[in-house]
Amino acid sequence: DVKVTQSSRYLVKRTGEKVFLECVQDMDHENMFWYRQDPGLGLRLIYFSYDVKMKEKGDIPEGYSVSREKKERFSLILESASTNQTSMYLCASSTPGGMYYGYTFGSGTRLTVV
Amino acid sequence: RKEVEQDPGPFNVPEGATVAFNCTYSNSASQSFFWYRQDCRKEPKLLMSVYSSGNEDGRFTAQLNRASQYISLLIRDSKLSDSATYLCVGIAYSGAGSYQLTFGKGTKLSVIP
Repeated sequence: DVKVTQSSRYLVKRTGEKVFLECVQDMDHENMFWYRQDPGLGLRLIYFSYDVKMKEKGDIPEGYSVSREKKERFSLILESASTNQTSMYLCASSTPGGMYYGYTFGSGTRLTVV
Repeated sequence: RKEVEQDPGPFNVPEGATVAFNCTYSNSASQSFFWYRQDCRKEPKLLMSVYSSGNEDGRFTAQLNRASQYISLLIRDSKLSDSATYLCVGIAYSGAGSYQLTFGKGTKLSVIP
């Protein structure tokens, strides 16, 4: 079974802090993704990566950056956390054939910015 | 903007009932679809893939109507454990060997004893 592990289940940070959300997958997947999920807005794509050191902006990249130094790890960085970044953050991974096999999601990090 | 639209519900049905959800998509280039299931405060998990006209897996049947651009999910003999939010996902090839997944906002199902 593919496993996607997110480092924290719950996180509380202060406004202005730099926040790192870590995601690790153990199945040698090329593709990795970061989403946020908010009530009534569904899943929104923040950033994605199809290869090491490669990144692409999703639909809502503002206020975020990412890092992919190793194939198995994809980090989401909130440069200066704000209260409107309080959300559930979901990491996902897939093979290039993800259109046939879908994405596998991590269990999520519920971030609260106070 | 390429959208996937779902009725948010909630659908409240008694145990044993048959329930159907529809999902419409606006991107005619979408090649295949998924249904994901998401339990409260948990991550989405893949339920079914829909490549051609449809797919059946036990009590679950997914159908695709390309002419009308909608996908349906039918659940027969509903169980209490089917209570969850069901996400419809469209997949479209976006060039250069990549593809894009577009998620609907989900339909909430509550199965009542």
